[in-house]
Formats: sequence, structure tokens, C-alpha cells
Amino acid sequence: ETGVTQSPTHLIKTRGQQVTLRCSSQSGHNTVSWYQQALGQGPQFIFQYYREEENGRGNFPPRFSGLQFPNYSSELNVNALELDDSALYLCASSVGVVQGTDTQYFGPGTRLTVL
Amino acid sequence: RKEVEQDPGPFNVPEGATVAFNCTYSNSASQSFFWYRQDCRKEPKLLMSVYSSGNEDGRFTAQLNRASQYISLLIRDSKLSDSATYLCVVRGSNYKLTFGKGTLLTVNP
Repeated sequence: ETGVTQSPTHLIKTRGQQVTLRCSSQSGHNTVSWYQQALGQGPQFIFQYYREEENGRGNFPPRFSGLQFPNYSSELNVNALELDDSALYLCASSVGVVQGTDTQYFGPGTRLTVL
Repeated sequence: RKEVEQDPGPFNVPEGATVAFNCTYSNSASQSFFWYRQDCRKEPKLLMSVYSSGNEDGRFTAQLNRASQYISLLIRDSKLSDSATYLCVVRGSNYKLTFGKGTLLTVNP
């Protein structure tokens, strides 16, 4: 296994609510990326954190925010949930080479359903 | 044009068949290329990196043509356990992985 864990496994929320998803990376992995995968689509990059600072962001609105902590855990927060936010949310960690060929290891994901 | 485009699929093949997946990418500055495999309702897992010289891992062969911005994956002697969605993935000079939509492969007995 990858050593990357995510919680919760599944979550059901209603429109307008806020949600926090959590990820625990492998020890020594300084970079964490978050992806959204809608049904039938490939994962879409949300943002990346490197040593607790946001290091890049995809085409997602500001209501998607994140945090990374020194203990290799991280959070994805989504405010004002919309129906289209229903998706599998994946975190991926890597050693910390921002560019190059280091491998990103994915967690099992959190499946969010917004009603 | 999408950043990464793959064969739409799905592919249904018998055991033992050879199957090829094709992928094109739009950003000529892309630097790293991968094939990931994703089982139903699971996370993507790295299958193999793709190098300009081509590389092989057992029954799997990946090719990269930078001039044509084209990536391929060949699976020989398909097994039932190869049934999955295959994702073409590209990384540029920045940090993010850009995924194709994926191609579903079903290997039938």
C-alpha cells in the first residue's frame, strides 16, 4: 500500500454546508496534492502544498482551501457546497521534489455526495 | 483542445489479446509522462513512467513520441486482472499532474 490515508471514506452533505476532508501522508513526504474526480472523469488538480505553504492551484474557486501541518497531515476544506462538488477527492503525497519525476502516491479517497 | 486526450473506449477484449491505448497531450513543455491504473471506486496507482526511449515492464510497453506529443501503452497477453481504467498522465515544468479521462478495459474469459 501507499501509506497515504484519508478520512472519512464517505460523506453526505447538503448544499450550502461546509466540509473538511483529511489526509495523512507518508512520513518524510513534504508535498501533498489534492484532486477532484467526478464520475466518469479523470482526476482534476485542485492545489498543492509544500512544507505547509500553497505551492500551486488549479481552476477551482476560493471556497476550496487547504492546510498542511508539520506532522504530514493535511486538510481540504470546501465551503458553500454545491451539487457539482459531488466527487471522489484524492490526496497524493510525494517526497517533495516540486518538479521532476518523483512519484505521487494516492490515498484511497473520500467520496463526497452533496444533496 | 483538452490538455490530455485518450481513446474514449471502452475496450472489451478476450483473455490473451493484445490491446493498445493511445494518448495525446497539448502542452509541448510537458516533462514527465505516466500511465496510471484505476480499479473501480479505488485510487489511481502508478503503472509505469514513460520515457522517450520507450520502456517495458513485463507484458506492458510504453512509448513516448515528443514530436507528435503522443503516448501509448501496449498490453500483451491480457489477463482478467488487467480489467481497469487506464489513465494517461502528464506533468509539466510545474507541479501538477494532468490526467486524461481514462479508458476502461474489460478483459473477458
